[in-house]
Amino acid sequence: AQSVAQPEDQVNVAEGNPLTVKCTYSVSGNPYLFWYVQYPNRGLQFLLKYITGDNLVKGSYGFEAEFNKSQTSFHLKKPSALVSDSALYFCAVRDTGSARQLTFGSGTQLTVLP
Amino acid sequence: SAVISQKPSRDICQRGTSLTIQCQVDSQVTMMFWYRQQPGQSLTLIATANQGSEATYESGFVIDKFPISRPNLTFSTLTVSNMSPEDSSIYLCSVAPRQGPNEQYFGPGTRLTVT
Repeated sequence: AQSVAQPEDQVNVAEGNPLTVKCTYSVSGNPYLFWYVQYPNRGLQFLLKYITGDNLVKGSYGFEAEFNKSQTSFHLKKPSALVSDSALYFCAVRDTGSARQLTFGSGTQLTVLP
Repeated sequence: SAVISQKPSRDICQRGTSLTIQCQVDSQVTMMFWYRQQPGQSLTLIATANQGSEATYESGFVIDKFPISRPNLTFSTLTVSNMSPEDSSIYLCSVAPRQGPNEQYFGPGTRLTVT
């Protein structure tokens, strides 16, 4: 079975400060991990993915994520938040040992305060 | 990436009726999927739309309620049949251009309200 947890429904951060959106996963094999962002009344936009290789993955709009196998985590980070980063963020996982497709987390609403 | 369009973008329907949602991609893709996002919820996969064969449904979703067509590699439809207010959701089409561990790209969604 595969699952993903986003423990925080809401994250608030001041503009210019670093941000972190947390994600932990559970798979029986090795994970493929993804982050997506959803702006109001729009579909999901792909931000970044981890397949294999370097644990630190860089993606769109200055976002990055760190894969930590021992902690089964894939937290999304950005060194300096912008008000325009305010959106709903979803983590997703796919088990390499499974025929199943992506499983999404419950989502984290990020609000960047000016 | 792929550019995906969906029609309609939103609709308000009466219970007991059916609505067909169209998904068009600007290039041929291997995999197409249909998701549901209920108000304030995450995404739930309804089914994988297979070209030339019956769709593969996830647990809890059945073909009679959500018939899917995929006549070619760039187009798919999802029908929500015999609708009830519980079907009020955003329905999202997504594609994976290639097999393997690749990201999916999502359409803008169809916001359905059933009264």
